[in-house]
Amino acid sequence: AQKITQTQPGMFVQEKEAVTLDCTYDTSDQSYGLFWYKQPSSGEMIFLIYQGSYDEQNATEGRYSLNFQKARKSANLVISASQLGDSAMYFCAMREWGFNFGNEKLTFGTGTRLTIIP
Amino acid sequence: GAGVSQTPSNKVTEKGKYVELRCDPISGHTALYWYRQSLGQGPEFLIYFQGTGAADDSGLPNDRFFAVRPEGSVSTLKIQRTERGDSAVYLCASSLGGSGEQFFGPGTRLTVL
Repeated sequence: AQKITQTQPGMFVQEKEAVTLDCTYDTSDQSYGLFWYKQPSSGEMIFLIYQGSYDEQNATEGRYSLNFQKARKSANLVISASQLGDSAMYFCAMREWGFNFGNEKLTFGTGTRLTIIP
Repeated sequence: GAGVSQTPSNKVTEKGKYVELRCDPISGHTALYWYRQSLGQGPEFLIYFQGTGAADDSGLPNDRFFAVRPEGSVSTLKIQRTERGDSAVYLCASSLGGSGEQFFGPGTRLTVL
């Protein structure tokens, strides 16, 4: 089974509207972290937001918020008031610790290409 | 301050040749990661260094791939007998310690003809 599933290959959103990018994950570990990265056409991965599995509050960073629903194993990214510069690929990723706190690798989904329309 | 840098930005080589890809992490970052991103996919983990040692190399696809970090800073990913399937963008990331946020470099686009 895929560890990270992003079911929206592409999305088109009107400028200034809010957008939700979906992410579901699969893990049997109790300790894990969920990340969202933005990858513009330049190719560099830009960290946006992080949610730990034990965090009770949804993470927020400026216009970004993470809608964390642990029972559903979903970690959707919400971008409020979208801007033209938000057009990019967006990747959801997970780091699993389990009983091994030396496991630091990120597992990424296949991404969603977001296009903001003026 | 300077971010993660990778050289070269582009590398074109012929099947069967040997290539080296270099990563300069953010100064002071002890953890360094290599990922490979094929077209239309998310990055896939290759190897993780904590200091000079490889803490996890479970993502290296086969023994043609090798990476070193001899002084705990710069790392080199080495690919022997390149194959067309090795064509991808190779991303490097670093972090403060192993559990911190990973900062990515711009990547090296490798094309094997």
